[in-house]
Amino acid sequence: EAGVTQSPRYAVLQEGQAVSFWCDPISGHDTLYWYQQPRDQGPQLLVYFRDEAVIDNSQLPSDRFSAVRPKGTNSTLKIQSAKQGDTATYLCASSYNQAPLFGEGTRLSVL
Amino acid sequence: GDSVTQTEGLVTVTEGLPVKLNCTYQTTYLTIAFFWYVQYLNEAPQVLLKSSTDNKRTEHQGFHATLHKSSSSFHLQKSSAQLSDSALYYCALRNNYAQGLTFGLGTRVSVFP
Repeated sequence: EAGVTQSPRYAVLQEGQAVSFWCDPISGHDTLYWYQQPRDQGPQLLVYFRDEAVIDNSQLPSDRFSAVRPKGTNSTLKIQSAKQGDTATYLCASSYNQAPLFGEGTRLSVL
Repeated sequence: GDSVTQTEGLVTVTEGLPVKLNCTYQTTYLTIAFFWYVQYLNEAPQVLLKSSTDNKRTEHQGFHATLHKSSSSFHLQKSSAQLSDSALYYCALRNNYAQGLTFGLGTRVSVFP
């Protein structure tokens, strides 16, 4: 069974630039999560979906971050105007009534 | 909201000796599930253990943990640490209201020969 796939693996930006992260969850998993993991910290939930619906985006900085999952499968997380404080690893996870399984993440550096 | 506390940022242990990682939590929900995730260098977090039953020991890969709701704890233990156990360990909880996990800050375990 293929795991959660994320791309790109790495991204380096200047402040003010935009970036998109892509996630392909495990087939059949209805719930998809996006987490932000700053260096030396635990993952922090940004948003999660059940199928195509956003269930909780209360921790997503809505002025610059957006996330979609239009067909209830793949998902895209976008940062409109990156800041140095966005430097972190962005993890996607998926689940179906079990513990979330994580992808390898996208490591973002904002200079 | 929920919170998870891992008191040790770094635990160093000699190979073959026991290791214990502390995890306590705060939640206002009655139905909760707990997880220990392990994250090796440059890899994604992986589920190590999970439990939602009070006072029941859960074991996997030589590690064990018991959820104690009376003390709001879910400590992780192993009787004999191996070099390959060197990694970051995260305690996390999920309440019955939302499925998003709340993670602790993590404990780095370094096992020395």
